[in-house]
Amino acid sequence: DAGVTQSPTHLIKTRGQQVTLRCSPKSGHDTVSWYQQALGQGPQFIFQYYEEEERQRGNFPDRFSGHQFPNYSSELNVNALLLGDSALYLCASSWNSYPGELFFGEGSRLTVL
Amino acid sequence: GNSVTQMEGPVTLSEEAFLTINCTYTATGYPSLFWYVQYPGEGLQLLLKATKADDKGSNKGFEATYRKETTSFHLEKGSVQVSDSAVYFCAAKGSSNTGKLIFGQGTTLQVKP
Repeated sequence: DAGVTQSPTHLIKTRGQQVTLRCSPKSGHDTVSWYQQALGQGPQFIFQYYEEEERQRGNFPDRFSGHQFPNYSSELNVNALLLGDSALYLCASSWNSYPGELFFGEGSRLTVL
Repeated sequence: GNSVTQMEGPVTLSEEAFLTINCTYTATGYPSLFWYVQYPGEGLQLLLKATKADDKGSNKGFEATYRKETTSFHLEKGSVQVSDSAVYFCAAKGSSNTGKLIFGQGTTLQVKP
């Protein structure tokens, strides 16, 4: 049973560019959350998707957007990249019935130059 | 808003030593509390949880008790092993049905043989 898979694992962009990160949830999970983890810090909640809708959003600007597909996979898009967007982006999946019990992928490491 | 504070790391212990990692939270209502662990090269994994006051979560020899009076959820283990070396994150989830977690900054544990 595959766990949460994310792609790409590493990528480098320049300021002003746009990036799309992808996530496939653990089999059977219906909810996907995205977190940003800066070096040496804990993950920060970006948003959560359930039933293809954004259900809750953290304190991130509109440059951060997402999508959930009918097969529960998800994308995170970041527009107009800033140097400060450099971080590890984590996808976490869960069952809607057990919120908080998250299964995390290994993350996508984004470097903005 | 809700917040989680963990003791500063790194924590360095000898094998078989007693471990305590302090965690305190501020939250409205009665949050659920979690400890996640990140082993080198792996994604975050749920270690244990507690959903109401005086609950004790336990797993793999680790324990944490939800103390409402001190707003704490300290992680303990009686005898650590080298394989416990990892980064440990305390997290809190509000009483809503969504899975938004507030994480602490993480505490690095290094266990030496």
